[in-house]
Amino acid sequence: GAGVSQTPSNKVTEKGKYVELRCDPISGHTALYWYRQSLGQGPEFLIYFQGTGAADDSGLPNDRFFAVRPEGSVSTLKIQRTERGDSAVYLCASSPDARDTQYFGPGTRLTVL
Amino acid sequence: DAKTTQPTSMDCAEGRAANLPCNHSTISGNEYVYWYRQIHSQGPQYIIHGLKNNETNEMASLIITEDRKSSTLILPHATLRDTAVYYCIVRVANRDDKIIFGKGTRLHILP
Repeated sequence: GAGVSQTPSNKVTEKGKYVELRCDPISGHTALYWYRQSLGQGPEFLIYFQGTGAADDSGLPNDRFFAVRPEGSVSTLKIQRTERGDSAVYLCASSPDARDTQYFGPGTRLTVL
Repeated sequence: DAKTTQPTSMDCAEGRAANLPCNHSTISGNEYVYWYRQIHSQGPQYIIHGLKNNETNEMASLIITEDRKSSTLILPHATLRDTAVYYCIVRVANRDDKIIFGKGTRLHILP
């Protein structure tokens, strides 16, 4: 079946701009996670949703980062006033239930110039 | 911080078994050992997990020491497509929780 998909695959933006990154989880998966991965590092947790609500947003670095999942399926990660340090691969994962194995998408590579 | 320690990199000849070690000396009784791998430009891929018994699936085998302070992931017949970064993670199963990744082991399969 279809896996987790993320769009766009690549995003180049200028410092100060606003960006949205989209994640389509596996159909029926109730839990959705966002991670960020810098070059040479393992993925770093940002936020996770159980259904429509954010169950844990402790990994969001600051208030420029925000994520939504209004209907409990697709999620959007929003970054305001982007900075060069935001450049990374943003990964999304979903699982049938928050207690289950997570399945990752291919990621969105964000480059802030 | 990640609760595991892995070598930074390893080489293995194609067709041979790749044995990837992981130390998790502070593992708690209710924590499982999980392995994921990440092939270049892809998201992490789940491989296997276990609590204290050895586990095997179509991808790999997981050997956990009796004291549970270390484990080894075994890829029985490595191919070039197994070249990836392998992450060993300890995590409480059946609990909603994020994954805390370390830096993993970069495995190079040599032709």
